[in-house]
Formats: sequence, C-alpha cells, structure tokens
Amino acid sequence: GESVGLHLPTLSVQEGDNSIINCAYSNSASDYFIWYKQESGKGPQFIIDIRSNMDKRQGQRVTVLLNKTVKHLSLQIAATQPGDSAVYFCADKNTGNQFYFGTGTSLTVIP
Amino acid sequence: NAGVMQNPRHLVRRRGQEARLRCSPMKGHSHVYWYRQLPEEGLKFMVYLQKENIIDESGMPKERFSAEFPKEGPSILRIQQVVRGDSAAYFCASSLSGANYEQYFGPGTRLTVT
Repeated sequence: GESVGLHLPTLSVQEGDNSIINCAYSNSASDYFIWYKQESGKGPQFIIDIRSNMDKRQGQRVTVLLNKTVKHLSLQIAATQPGDSAVYFCADKNTGNQFYFGTGTSLTVIP
Repeated sequence: NAGVMQNPRHLVRRRGQEARLRCSPMKGHSHVYWYRQLPEEGLKFMVYLQKENIIDESGMPKERFSAEFPKEGPSILRIQQVVRGDSAAYFCASSLSGANYEQYFGPGTRLTVT
C-alpha cells in the first residue's frame, strides 16, 4: 500500500540557516508531489509542488528536489525565519485521485 | 479573494448525535476533497467530490459517514451517530481542475465528541 514517511519527526535550526526536510514515498507510480506547511490550529498551506517529469523546482526561498530512483523528496528552505516554524507535510499522488500524506516534520527555528 | 471556508470551526457533539460540517471551495473551484487529521498525524483522504457527483469515496467509512456537494451551496460532510473515535480535525480542500492540481485547504473543523 501507499506509504509516505519522513526521516525525522523534528528539526531545529538556527535562524538564518538553511533547512532541509526529507520525505520518502513507496509508490513508484506516484507522479505528483506537494509540500504543505501547517501551523498550529490552521489548515495546511500549499508551499510548492513538483511533477515526476522534473527533479528540481524552485520557489521563493524554497526548493523541492525529487529523486525518483530512490523515491525520495526533499524541501529546502533558505535563510530560515521564525515564521517558518511549523509542521511540514509531503504528499504524493499516483494515477488515482488520492493524495497520501506523511506524518509530518516539526520545524522549530531558534532565534 | 476568499479562500476555502469551513464552518463551524469547532463543533462539540455528544455520542449518538449528528455532526454536519460545511465547506465552501475557493471561487471558481468545483473540486472538493475532505480529509481527517488525528492529533500528530498526517491527513487521511476521505472523499473527493465534484458538483453533484461523488468521484472517489474510498477513504470514507461505509457506515455513518456521507458527503455531498450540491449544485448550489457548500459541500457537506455528515457524520451520523458520532462516537468518540470521530473526534478529529476535518479539513476540506478545493482545486481548480481535479486531482492533478494543487489543493488549497480550509482552516478545518475540530470535532469533539463527548
């Protein structure tokens, strides 16, 4: 079955440093991936997405890398700020309609 | 430029009562998804609807749960005869053109069953 997991449940970084959040997925048929940020008491907020025909995509201060060979996805946040503190989820989708979410990584930015 | 709206934000029900959760998608979006989130867990897909159609309900329990997205008005997730295990945050998301596009989430409804 589907399995989307994260390597580390928590991550602490110094303000200004870069953050890297990792995610593994199990279904080689997954073709679309999204990273979400969820702050306490709020709904998930779309950060960036990537399709399986790409291996890298950049946004504002964020970069997503996709390695289909090892079924690994990462989110890089440049110059991490206190406002980046949240739980980050990766989600993947195959040819069906469902997105499968990982359990999340809690990012804490230390001022 | 309203985003996805959900109400109520918090809902308390006694065991055996019905819970009705509402979701209004972003303007122009006709695809709605419902997810359930337990504390410190990821989101679990429940159901995917378009206007007047259920496209995929494979993640929704067969009993007590139902969902609709009428031609007019919000999408409704209905839980009948709630039990304590139904306590969770229920999130709705909408997308412009189906499951291959980004989904935008509402703030969620936190259901507590006492």
